[in-house]
Amino acid sequence: DGGITQSPKYLFRKEGQNVTLSCEQNLNHDAMYWYRQDPGQGLRLIYYSQIVNDFQKGDIAEGYSVSREKKESFPLTVTSAQKNPTAFYLCASRPNGILNSPLHFGNGTRLTVT
Amino acid sequence: EDQVTQSPEALRLQEGESSSLNCSYTVSGLRGLFWYRQDPGKGPEFLFTLYSAGEEKEKERLKATLTKKESFLHITAPKPEDSATYLCAVRNDYKLSFGAGTTVTVRA
Repeated sequence: DGGITQSPKYLFRKEGQNVTLSCEQNLNHDAMYWYRQDPGQGLRLIYYSQIVNDFQKGDIAEGYSVSREKKESFPLTVTSAQKNPTAFYLCASRPNGILNSPLHFGNGTRLTVT
Repeated sequence: EDQVTQSPEALRLQEGESSSLNCSYTVSGLRGLFWYRQDPGKGPEFLFTLYSAGEEKEKERLKATLTKKESFLHITAPKPEDSATYLCAVRNDYKLSFGAGTTVTVRA
């Protein structure tokens, strides 16, 4: 089955450590996205990539970094510069060129930093 | 700035008790309004896209409608398996903005 795989499901880190969240898709989608979800708030866009080797900052990119070396993969690194990293992180994708196609989401990674 | 407000925050229903969720929005140049369902600990699952005022979409017990300022998600005769958080999102030419969601609990 085609879909988006995020791993791990749960991640625990000490403050001051960088951590990388994995996102892999086999939907052959060009565009990939990272969102952060906090209780009582809407999803907020961290980074997105429309094509391999190119990515753009979203609304809350500070303290995060990404790479897009392959079409299938869009890993997110949460750096020690992120002030409040504990959250539920969602990766999504959609095909380019199809007007208003909906986002397809993975099942998320819950990151806890103590 | 685009805004998406969902109400109520939480909704408790008895099985079979129909109700509606509201999504109010302000956006410059609406390109689409999306409804998603999200189960606890999972990613959102796409339900509907609405493009213009007056449009309606249905799927099983769910029906989504759209006006120029808001969208409603009607749940008819809900079952316990309809319990989830329902998210609304609006897209303009540049971005997709999400509401905080309505958490629906249906008791048997």
